[in-house]
Amino acid sequence: ETGVTQSPTHLIKTRGQQVTLRCSSQSGHNTVSWYQQALGQGPQFIFQYYREEENGRGNFPPRFSGLQFPNYSSELNVNALELDDSALYLCASSLFGFEQYFGPGTRLTVT
Amino acid sequence: AQTVTQSQPEMSVQEAETVTLSCTYDTSESDYYLFWYKQPPSRQMILVIRQEAYKQQNATENRFSVNFQKAAKSFSLKISDSQLGDAAMYFCAYRTNGGAQKLVFGQGTRLTINP
Repeated sequence: ETGVTQSPTHLIKTRGQQVTLRCSSQSGHNTVSWYQQALGQGPQFIFQYYREEENGRGNFPPRFSGLQFPNYSSELNVNALELDDSALYLCASSLFGFEQYFGPGTRLTVT
Repeated sequence: AQTVTQSQPEMSVQEAETVTLSCTYDTSESDYYLFWYKQPPSRQMILVIRQEAYKQQNATENRFSVNFQKAAKSFSLKISDSQLGDAAMYFCAYRTNGGAQKLVFGQGTRLTINP
């Protein structure tokens, strides 16, 4: 059984740029959730995808967007990066959102 | 909206001893799930244990057990026979039932194991 994977591990971007983060869900899972974890904080829910559609969204602006593909993998896109977007981005896969299993995360630094 | 509070920013315990991490939550729902996750320095969030609100019996997973008090909205984690590998950030999380099955996390408790 393959676990949740994320890429890249780290990246550094400049304010105003755009970034795409990727997540491959665990086999047998059909739902992907994305979370943002600022340093020293608990993760905050960004949104969830099920059947290739957004299934719920947290308190994040529209410049945070996502996709889910037929193989249940997912992308998180962030436009017009701001310094406060610097964080660990976590992807979690699950079957219908039940027990969520997390990937190792992508550390984004915005300078 | 649901909230989760972990009042202990840091805890420490001697190896082989027992430690309890506290968590309280606020919700108007009657059916929900609670989780404890562990996040070691490697950053990967690892599911430790889960509790269904409709079950009165406290969940147990090897050395990890919970004390679930539904009326008090309390959900503490007990780690028995602490091991060096237990050192990590521990997050309590509440899973909503309506709409997206999102997790609401507490601020975390950093657990140190003293050899």
